[in-house]
Amino acid sequence: GAGVSQSPSNKVTEKGKDVELRCDPISGHTALYWYRQRLGQGLEFLIYFQGNSAPDKSGLPSDRFSAERTGESVSTLTIQRTQQEDSAVYLCASSLAGNRETQYFGPGTRLLVL
Amino acid sequence: DQQVKQNSPSLSVQEGRISILNCDYTNSMFDYFLWYKKYPAEGPTFLISISSIKDKNEDGRFTVFLNKSAKHLSLHIVPSQPGDSAVYFCAASGAGGTSYGKLTFGQGTILTVHP
Repeated sequence: GAGVSQSPSNKVTEKGKDVELRCDPISGHTALYWYRQRLGQGLEFLIYFQGNSAPDKSGLPSDRFSAERTGESVSTLTIQRTQQEDSAVYLCASSLAGNRETQYFGPGTRLLVL
Repeated sequence: DQQVKQNSPSLSVQEGRISILNCDYTNSMFDYFLWYKKYPAEGPTFLISISSIKDKNEDGRFTVFLNKSAKHLSLHIVPSQPGDSAVYFCAASGAGGTSYGKLTFGQGTILTVHP
């Protein structure tokens, strides 16, 4: 049984470049979340997708960040013109629809912006 | 504005003893609380949860206690085992009536259980 997968596992990029992070949720999970964990801090909510509803983008830190999801499958998080403060672990989670459903996390993508 | 706080960055416990991890929250709209465990290079895994209508939930060696008046919850692990060594995150949801489960996390506590 496949869990949530993310790629790449590690990404090193230069300041100013764009990066794209991918998340494959668990099959059948209609809810998908992106979180960010900076060094020494907790997880910070970025964006939420639920089925065909408009995503909740309230956690995106700037307009350099965007995310898309194709139906109820793959999601990509794009960071444009990366800055050093974007360095973090980006975690994706999926769950069955509805509140109180357990969120299952992927292993994360470690992004380092030089 | 840290709405969920874990004030102890680390905790060290002897194998077989009790581990108590603490968490405080400020948002009175939170009505569902969770604990996640995270090993290095892995994503967090769900451990146990509690709804605000309860004050205790137990699952094997893990018990979560909720004190709503104090806006405080704790995770008890008895007996602690070396395999429990990990980072533990407290999380909360339910703010503002939103029903989709967006989680607000604490900073995490590193638990080390010594053999």
